[in-house]
Amino acid sequence: QKEVEQNSGPLSVPEGAIASLNCTYSDRVSQSFFWYRQYSGKSPELIMSIYSNGDKEDGRFTAQLNKASQYVSLLIRDSQPSDSATYLCAVNVSPRGTYKYIFGTGTRLKVLA
Amino acid sequence: EAEVAQSPRYKITEKSQAVAFWCDPISGHATLYWYRQILGQGPELLVQFQDESVVDDSQLPKDRFSAERLKGVDSTLKIQPAELGDSAMYLCASSRDLGGPEQYFGPGTRLTVT
Repeated sequence: QKEVEQNSGPLSVPEGAIASLNCTYSDRVSQSFFWYRQYSGKSPELIMSIYSNGDKEDGRFTAQLNKASQYVSLLIRDSQPSDSATYLCAVNVSPRGTYKYIFGTGTRLKVLA
Repeated sequence: EAEVAQSPRYKITEKSQAVAFWCDPISGHATLYWYRQILGQGPELLVQFQDESVVDDSQLPKDRFSAERLKGVDSTLKIQPAELGDSAMYLCASSRDLGGPEQYFGPGTRLTVT
């Protein structure tokens, strides 16, 4: 089992719809969770971080965390063509007393105009 | 706005040649990371520094890759000799401290080995 799993997609949604991106992780003691957006040929850009169970909203983005189910999701409301990108889920794990970020393979989102 | 700087942005080299990448993290960030990202995959950690010390280099192919952060600020990643399979995006990132919590990426270096 991979440490961080995402559906590779592509996930296609019409403009104006809600895009729902999902991520599961295997390390039960993980405390920090992140969503990055990566446009083709560019580097990842941090768009959301979440540390406690529940929802966290920032503009059109909502991150949801359920530690019991080891599940984190990202909702994008009123999706725009400019949201078309790959979305990477990352988890901060702490093996052997240090910290490292583990990334999923990303979900490619296509917003259709 | 503070950013992670990287150079060069693009590099084409022949196999068996040496190549080096440079990274300057966000000012005040003690932790620096080098990642490699192959098309269609997530970034994979190569090496992690806390100040000038290596915290994790378990995934760094030490027979050909080396990394240093001599004064605990900027860092260099070197490959010698380069192989065809090294073609990828090399990303540098930094965070305030070991626990982050948030990590920011530079623009990356796209390496092509011919």
